Amino acid sequence: GDSVTQMEGPVTLSEEAFLTINCTYTATGYPSLFWYVQYPGEGLQLLLKATKADDKGSNKGFEATYRKETTSFHLEKGSVQVSDSAVYFCALHSGGYQKVTFGIGTKLQVIP
Amino acid sequence: GAVVSQHPSRVICKSGTSVKIECRSLDFQATTMFWYRQFPKQSLMLMATSNEGSKATYEQGVEKDKFLINHASLTLSTLTVTSAHPEDSSFYICSAEDGNEQFFGPGTRLTVL
Repeated sequence: GDSVTQMEGPVTLSEEAFLTINCTYTATGYPSLFWYVQYPGEGLQLLLKATKADDKGSNKGFEATYRKETTSFHLEKGSVQVSDSAVYFCALHSGGYQKVTFGIGTKLQVIP
Repeated sequence: GAVVSQHPSRVICKSGTSVKIECRSLDFQATTMFWYRQFPKQSLMLMATSNEGSKATYEQGVEKDKFLINHASLTLSTLTVTSAHPEDSSFYICSAEDGNEQFFGPGTRLTVL
């Protein structure tokens, strides 16, 4: 079945540091890939997505590229801010009214 | 993008009571909705898939008599936690699919005392 593996946190960075959160997946077919963000006490928000190989999703300075050859969708940001502190979930959706499969979530803490 | 709402956002109840959570797709029709549960510091786990006009499909290990799901219209699905106990305290999130993508609600935090 489908699965998503993402690095466990917490990840602690200083403000303006470079961020990478690794995510790899296994799936049948050609899934869409997503990064969701969950701020403390809140629900999920879609951060970015990519629907096919080599697509790059981007939003709010975050980027991730759909790499079919390495089955990866790593999240990156060049300069993190304190306000980026949250839990980040990598996820995949195989389409056709199938469930979304989530990674375990990576907590990011950005310190001033 | 499409909007999915949940009500209530937070609920506190006594042990033994039942709690109903609503999930609505506000600007599209969703033949399929999903209910997820998130334990503290853990990922989201699918509980059940809800199809309009038919019985929900539950994931292995989820008690269908405990978590009643009704999908009476193309824009509304409800999850009722019956005879709630403290171990049912959790964050419940629904999603609705428009045929291409799933859109998530903001979640409902249930606390059972």
